Amino acid sequence: KQEVTQIPAALSVPEGENLVLNCSFTDSAIYNLQWFRQDPGKGLTSLLLIQSSQREQTSGRLNASLDKSSGRSTLYIAASQPGDSATYLCAVRLDKLIFGTGTRLQVFP
Amino acid sequence: NAGVMQNPRHLVRRRGQEARLRCSPMKGHSHVYWYRQLPEEGLKFMVYLQKENIIDESGMPKERFSAEFPKEGPSILRIQQVVRGDSAAYFCASSPEVTGAEAFFGQGTRLTVV
Repeated sequence: KQEVTQIPAALSVPEGENLVLNCSFTDSAIYNLQWFRQDPGKGLTSLLLIQSSQREQTSGRLNASLDKSSGRSTLYIAASQPGDSATYLCAVRLDKLIFGTGTRLQVFP
Repeated sequence: NAGVMQNPRHLVRRRGQEARLRCSPMKGHSHVYWYRQLPEEGLKFMVYLQKENIIDESGMPKERFSAEFPKEGPSILRIQQVVRGDSAAYFCASSPEVTGAEAFFGQGTRLTVV
């Protein structure tokens, strides 16, 4: 059974810091991994999708890496801003998406 | 191309009533997934459907819950005889019929049972 874990559960940092969010999964038989952002009371916004054959994806200040053999992914956020404050979720997919419990990020001015 | 549309956005039901949640996938998407998010918890998989077929319902409670995705029209998640514990946000996602394709989520329906 696939299990997805995210650490830390919560993170509070001053504006401008570079951040690393971690995601680990127990079964490496996946098609892809997606990182999402969820604002309080809102839906999910897809940030990055990494196919199982890829090592990393970049979008603006975000960079996600995938090491399928070790069951790990990291989301790197450069030069964090208060607008980055949200919950970040990773999800692995074979037939369906299995989500981690999320990292709640607060960036203060 | 509109995104995944869910309605209603908010739904209030009294205990014992029925709740119907609708999800219209993105154009060209034939796969629909339903998830439930309890307050302060993560997203839990409920059911995976393709047109007219239930592919995986391993996350659905055995009683009171059902889902369908007909040939025409939106996917429907139906909860009969709602109880307070059903209060949650219900999210729908869709993807095309391509292995490993990106999934897109709707804004969710927030169900409150009073």
